[in-house]
Amino acid sequence: KNEVEQSPQNLTAQEGEFITINCSYSVGISALHWLQQHPGGGIVSLFMLSSGKKKHGRLIATINIQEKHSSLHITASHPRDSAVYICAVSLNYGGSQGNLIFGKGTKLSVKP
Amino acid sequence: DSGVTQTPKHLITATGQRVTLRCSPRSGDLSVYWYQQSLDQGLQFLIQYYNGEERAKGNILERFSAQQFPDLHSELNLSSLELGDSALYFCASSVERQISGNTIYFGEGSWLTVV
Repeated sequence: KNEVEQSPQNLTAQEGEFITINCSYSVGISALHWLQQHPGGGIVSLFMLSSGKKKHGRLIATINIQEKHSSLHITASHPRDSAVYICAVSLNYGGSQGNLIFGKGTKLSVKP
Repeated sequence: DSGVTQTPKHLITATGQRVTLRCSPRSGDLSVYWYQQSLDQGLQFLIQYYNGEERAKGNILERFSAQQFPDLHSELNLSSLELGDSALYFCASSVERQISGNTIYFGEGSWLTVV
């Protein structure tokens, strides 16, 4: 079993829909990162969370440390949101601070 | 633009060869991370350097090595290349030596194809 699981693997939505991508992890973490990878390959860091909720524009990320679960929400989705969204966690034990463990990503396609 | 620069963007080379990938971190960032993204394994952490010293090691093969120079740029050396080394190699940087609690900035990646 992967230490970081994302769902769904693939998601197709119509423009304007509210989208939720989920991430569950099974290890102790110090932080969780949401990343966006565009078709060209480049990766952009969207959020870094250690507790609670963060919002940036139409994107909202939440984390529940007790339940080891995070969600990424996109409100009023747009075709330019089409990308792969990757959840990654940084571990909380010594010697591992450089290590991110990645989920396999959620491929989002937003149709006009 | 993340401020992290990787070269080359694309590279095609033959099995058995050696290549060097270069990364310049964001101005002021002391940590450099290398990641490999392949179709079958997804994204994997390879190695981290902080201010010139190796800080953490992940799933990096013995045929691979890295270093960070005094000007903080980093190089990832891949030798005795195999077909399975074909992947997208990312460099990332952050200010602190610990990735937790810090935003990480990724370069555009170097596409390596081994034929």
